Amino acid sequence: GAGVSQSPSNKVTEKGKDVELRCDPISGHTALYWYRQSLGQGLEFLIYFQGNSAPDKSGLPSDRFSAERTGGSVSTLTIQRTQQEDSAVYLCASSFDGRSYNEQFFGPGTRLTVL
Amino acid sequence: KNQVEQSPQSLIILEGKNCTLQCNYTVSPFSNLRWYKQDTGRGPVSLTIMTFSENTKSNGRYTATLDADTKQSSLHITASQLSDSASYICVVSVAGGTSYGKLTFGQGTILTVHP
Repeated sequence: GAGVSQSPSNKVTEKGKDVELRCDPISGHTALYWYRQSLGQGLEFLIYFQGNSAPDKSGLPSDRFSAERTGGSVSTLTIQRTQQEDSAVYLCASSFDGRSYNEQFFGPGTRLTVL
Repeated sequence: KNQVEQSPQSLIILEGKNCTLQCNYTVSPFSNLRWYKQDTGRGPVSLTIMTFSENTKSNGRYTATLDADTKQSSLHITASQLSDSASYICVVSVAGGTSYGKLTFGQGTILTVHP
């Protein structure tokens, strides 16, 4: 079966523009996570969706960042008024449910470059 | 503050040699510890997962150990291959509450295997 897919694979944008990053989780996975990986840094948790529950947004770095998950499947991470410090690889992961023992399967990431 | 520290930051070895990567964590409450392998340009892929009651877990040439008392883990790679060149990330999961399934990532050890 298909794994987690993300699009686009690369995105170059100008400072101040808005961007949308898409994640298609593994079918049947109720938990979905967004992470950010900056150059030379570990992965940083951004947001977590579990089923129909309210998302855990505690990792979002500013109100310019938001995410939605429609129909319990596809998720979109939106960054408004992008800044150069937003340049990073944005990784999406999904798991069968939110229990901590369940493996999170990662997508290939979207590399965002803000000029 | 939950933290995961890995050492060394980078390591170069010759093909066929063994190596050991280290991970120390201060995550609480502890649920489980995973080692992930991340190839360049790809998302992380799980190698092993251990709960607090497990001391060792193997996956082919990869063997992970866990000492929950000292909060240390190691990943031993036997008979290294060129394809082992990657970043190896230690990831600790927090148990319960709103941190359900949320992971704390180390910065990774970059392993390079030379012929």
